[in-house]
Amino acid sequence: QVQLQQSGPGLVKPSQTLSLTCAISGDSVSSDRAAWTWIRQSPSRGLEWLGRTYYRSTTSRWYHDYAVSVESRITINPDTSKNQFSLQLKSVTPEDTAVYYCARTIDDSSGFDYWGQGTLVNVSS
Amino acid sequence: QSALTQPASVSGSPGQSITFSCTGISSDVGVDNYVSWYQQHPGKAPKLVIYDVSNRPSGVSKRFSGSKSGNTASLTISGLQAEDAAVYYCSSYADNSPHVFGGGTKVTVL
Repeated sequence: QVQLQQSGPGLVKPSQTLSLTCAISGDSVSSDRAAWTWIRQSPSRGLEWLGRTYYRSTTSRWYHDYAVSVESRITINPDTSKNQFSLQLKSVTPEDTAVYYCARTIDDSSGFDYWGQGTLVNVSS
Repeated sequence: QSALTQPASVSGSPGQSITFSCTGISSDVGVDNYVSWYQQHPGKAPKLVIYDVSNRPSGVSKRFSGSKSGNTASLTISGLQAEDAAVYYCSSYADNSPHVFGGGTKVTVL
């Protein structure tokens, strides 16, 4: 059974960097079949896909895709030593206030089959 | 503003079937079979109920079914039960993003 456990602060000041971590159990961040994603949800923006990271052994490379809306501010990094991946979002504003989720897709399926518990992040001074 | 259009709300009585839509364009919902549906109860993470248009994950009730015609995908819940009351979101591939979401449909069980 795959479990995703999120951690990170619930309050970030404007202009600072939002940092969250998603610890994986029951799968590997280096899995050839999976992609590891961050999604956020707010009343104003609804559900919003932010980006993903995934590894493919055929090329021995890590890949990253980011949403156009945040691509200048976002970094998603895998940490193979801890079997987790992280989200960093720079220069946050109150508009970045949302519940942030990590999630998994597998085998190029359209569906996110496992989700973290969600972290409410408030951007406020 | 969400990329995919869903009705804001749908209601039905216990035991009835309901169907609601997710409308996009040819470059998102209309592309391949890359549509998924999620059920979300208040305060909880979304739960996958349909992937790749019409496939049910293990453990999801057979009462949930999905289909697609052109640029519109649909989710049907048959034999409606009180526990089905939730917000349902569709998701699809799009030109500028691997995943875009609809605005959600609130299902009320009367």
